[in-house]
Amino acid sequence: AAGVIQSPRHLIKEKRETATLKCYPIPRHDTVYWYQQGPGQDPQFLISFYEKMQSDKGSIPDRFSAQQFSDYHSELNMSSLELGDSALYFCASSSGTGDLKDEQFFGPGTRLTVL
Amino acid sequence: DAKTTQPPSMDCAEGRAANLPCNHSTISGNEYVYWYRQIHSQGPQYIIHGLKNNETNEMASLIITEDRKSSTLILPHATLRDTAVYYCIVRLLPMYSGGGADGLTFGKGTHLIIQP
Repeated sequence: AAGVIQSPRHLIKEKRETATLKCYPIPRHDTVYWYQQGPGQDPQFLISFYEKMQSDKGSIPDRFSAQQFSDYHSELNMSSLELGDSALYFCASSSGTGDLKDEQFFGPGTRLTVL
Repeated sequence: DAKTTQPPSMDCAEGRAANLPCNHSTISGNEYVYWYRQIHSQGPQYIIHGLKNNETNEMASLIITEDRKSSTLILPHATLRDTAVYYCIVRLLPMYSGGGADGLTFGKGTHLIIQP
């Protein structure tokens, strides 16, 4: 079965640079979530989109922005990168608010290293 | 979302049942109990969820106490591949939270180690 696709899988950037992470949800899923997991930490919710509109917002820094496109893929844009942004970034998708199980399917993650 | 409390770590012998407890004493009437797990550095994986009745699927069973203040996730025959961090999460279904796509709030979780 098709899973959530994230690209790139690994990314190395310098401080103050920008990065763009991409997420391709499972086909027919219209909801996308972004999570950040620092080293030795638990995943932290950043932001979500439902039908291309921002739905919920967590602890996303102002330097980060995200959007969901017409084909439902999503991009997380990160500017003025800091050392503390080094983390695993997970994208998850779900089939929308009509799903009684409300299960989120997670991708393999993008490992961002800021030097 | 209600706060949850889980033991930081547990051991279980391979082939035995693993019972993972979770306290959620401030759970409200419309909040469900969800369990996810994360195998090292992989994306979290949904296991099971329930409201007040006991639930079972191909992965696990979920036992929720009558007062709903605590629950237990049961992996009936643990294998080495079940070694992971298990997260108990309490949340509303979208139909009760205004229809939004709410993010999951991961607490500290229980690191379950299956011993050979």
